[in-house]
Amino acid sequence: AQSVTQLGSHVSVSEGALVLLRCNYSSSVPPYLFWYVQYPNQGLQLLLKYTSAATLVKGINGFEAEFKKSETSFHLTKPSAHMSDAAEYFCAVTSTGDSSYKLIFGSGTRLLVRP
Amino acid sequence: GAVVSQHPSRVICKSGTSVKIECRSLDFQATTMFWYRQFPKQSLMLMATSNEGSKATYEQGVEKDKFLINHASLTLSTLTVTSAHPEDSSFYICSAAGPNQPQHFGDGTRLSIL
Repeated sequence: AQSVTQLGSHVSVSEGALVLLRCNYSSSVPPYLFWYVQYPNQGLQLLLKYTSAATLVKGINGFEAEFKKSETSFHLTKPSAHMSDAAEYFCAVTSTGDSSYKLIFGSGTRLLVRP
Repeated sequence: GAVVSQHPSRVICKSGTSVKIECRSLDFQATTMFWYRQFPKQSLMLMATSNEGSKATYEQGVEKDKFLINHASLTLSTLTVTSAHPEDSSFYICSAAGPNQPQHFGDGTRLSIL
């Protein structure tokens, strides 16, 4: 079975500060990991994905995440927060690169950006 | 990039009516579509997975007679909430996946049952 844990339901940072959103996974097989962003009343937009290639993954909007097998983590970071980054962020895991297989989502982290 | 269109974006209706939500893949063949339900300030809960031309696979605890899913073509899947009641009020999101395509999500449908 696979699962994802996102530590911190809310994270608040100042504009320009480092963003760090935490995600730990559990998987009995090599995982495929994703970060999605959701703006109010919208669907999910893919930020980045790890598919067993490079452990440091760069995504859109300046976000990146590092896969650390020893720590079973896939934390999302951005060097400098913008007001437009305020949204809900979801980490997800699946067991295959086949996109027709279901994703398991974490509970989400709401990012607040203070001016 | 690939786009998934979900319609309607918002619907308000009386208790007892049935509501149909459409999910269209606009520029790729969606061999698999997923339907999720999201409660306020919570994560997405997968309701069912549908493959084109076959019956949907429902997650445990989801009533298949309540939530009818049809995936008759490679570009369209529909979710019908039958005899809707206030407890069915929620945000419903679809996603579509296909060969060499990650899951792409629709913008969701906010369903309010009075």
